[in-house]
Amino acid sequence: KQEVTQIPAALSVPEGENLVLNCSFTDSAIYNLQWFRQDPGKGLTSLLLIQSSQREQTSGRLNASLDKSSGRSTLYIAASQPGDSATYLCAVEDTGRRALTFGSGTRLQVQP
Amino acid sequence: DAGVIQSPRHEVTEMGQEVTLRCKPISGHNSLFWYRQTMMRGLELLIYFNNNVPIDDSGMPEDRFSAKMPNASFSTLKIQPSEPRDSAVYFCASRNIQGLSYNEQFFGPGTRLTVL
Repeated sequence: KQEVTQIPAALSVPEGENLVLNCSFTDSAIYNLQWFRQDPGKGLTSLLLIQSSQREQTSGRLNASLDKSSGRSTLYIAASQPGDSATYLCAVEDTGRRALTFGSGTRLQVQP
Repeated sequence: DAGVIQSPRHEVTEMGQEVTLRCKPISGHNSLFWYRQTMMRGLELLIYFNNNVPIDDSGMPEDRFSAKMPNASFSTLKIQPSEPRDSAVYFCASRNIQGLSYNEQFFGPGTRLTVL
């Protein structure tokens, strides 16, 4: 059974800092990996999707990498802003099961 | 497109009552997912449909839970009878799956259920 772990559980940084969120998964047989953002009391917003054949994806200040063989992904946020404060969730889609297995998330707070 | 639509947004009910949650997926999407989010267990898949057919219901906690998708634009998740431990946020998501295509899942705003 796929298990997804996110480290750290919580992170507080001053505005302007670059930061890295980590995600690991136990079964490398995946179709893709997706990073989401969740604001308090809100739904999930998709940030980036990395296909299993890809190494990274970029969107604005966000860069996500994938090392499928080692079961790891990182989300890099450049020049963090207070508006980036949210919970970031990592999720993987296993081959043969077209649904997502989620990590428990990293709660990020960017101090102005 | 309005995105995935869920109703109600909030539901407060008493133990033993029937609860029905509703979802309208994004038009053109052929797969629909129901997830539940709690503090203790995080986000977990309950069931998903492909072309209106249930494919994986292994996450449905027990017989009190049932889900239907009578057509491509509507799905319900029913809990009967409800219990306090069912209190959670229930999310619906949809996507378009075509063979090995890698499309994102899009989530609705969720229904916050409180069972007293």
